[in-house]
Amino acid sequence: GENVEQHPSTLSVQEGDSAVIKCTYSDSASNYFPWYKQELGKRPQLIIDIRSNVGEKKDQRIAVTLNKTAKHFSLHITETQPEDSAVYFCAARGSGAGSYQLTFGKGTKLSVIP
Amino acid sequence: EAQVTQNPRYLITVTGKKLTVTCSQNMNHEYMSWYRQDPGLGLRQIYYSMNVEVTDKGDVPEGYKVSRKEKRNFPLILESPSPNQTSLYFCASRPGTSAYNEQFFGPGTRLTVL
Repeated sequence: GENVEQHPSTLSVQEGDSAVIKCTYSDSASNYFPWYKQELGKRPQLIIDIRSNVGEKKDQRIAVTLNKTAKHFSLHITETQPEDSAVYFCAARGSGAGSYQLTFGKGTKLSVIP
Repeated sequence: EAQVTQNPRYLITVTGKKLTVTCSQNMNHEYMSWYRQDPGLGLRQIYYSMNVEVTDKGDVPEGYKVSRKEKRNFPLILESPSPNQTSLYFCASRPGTSAYNEQFFGPGTRLTVL
């Protein structure tokens, strides 16, 4: 099955700096890569996603890049704010029978220091 | 309001006492799944269902059962809970028509097995 590795497990940045979280996946057939944000005590919520036929996607201060050859994708948050502090999860979903399962990374706890 | 609901939100029980955590969605989604979240391990899929009467094991199914008799409901059953099933549980749903569809999470159920 799919295996998703996520790094780093914790990340502290100063307010206004950029944050980058990286994930690698094992199944070359995976074709959908969402990122979820989970605030303390709350449910995970989708913040951005990318399909395998796209190399980069941006939404205001958040961007995701995908390198299919290397099987890795990254989340970039620019101009970080205290409200960006949360746990972020990357995930990968395969095609065909694997499209029913979403495999998550172990998460990155991001702390934005005012 | 479109949502995924879970009940109960918090549960403390004892080893061996059967329990059921309910999950319901009002979005007519075909696909539903259960995850458990443990510190440092991320979100791991327990079971999933592609539609009514169609279920399959995820990555950590041992000790759990599910059923899907109606499209909107997907209960998680612990026949004989053990302390290692103490965890935060999330139900999720998404439309089954495309592998790219966003997955929505319920609010979570925090289970403690003594």
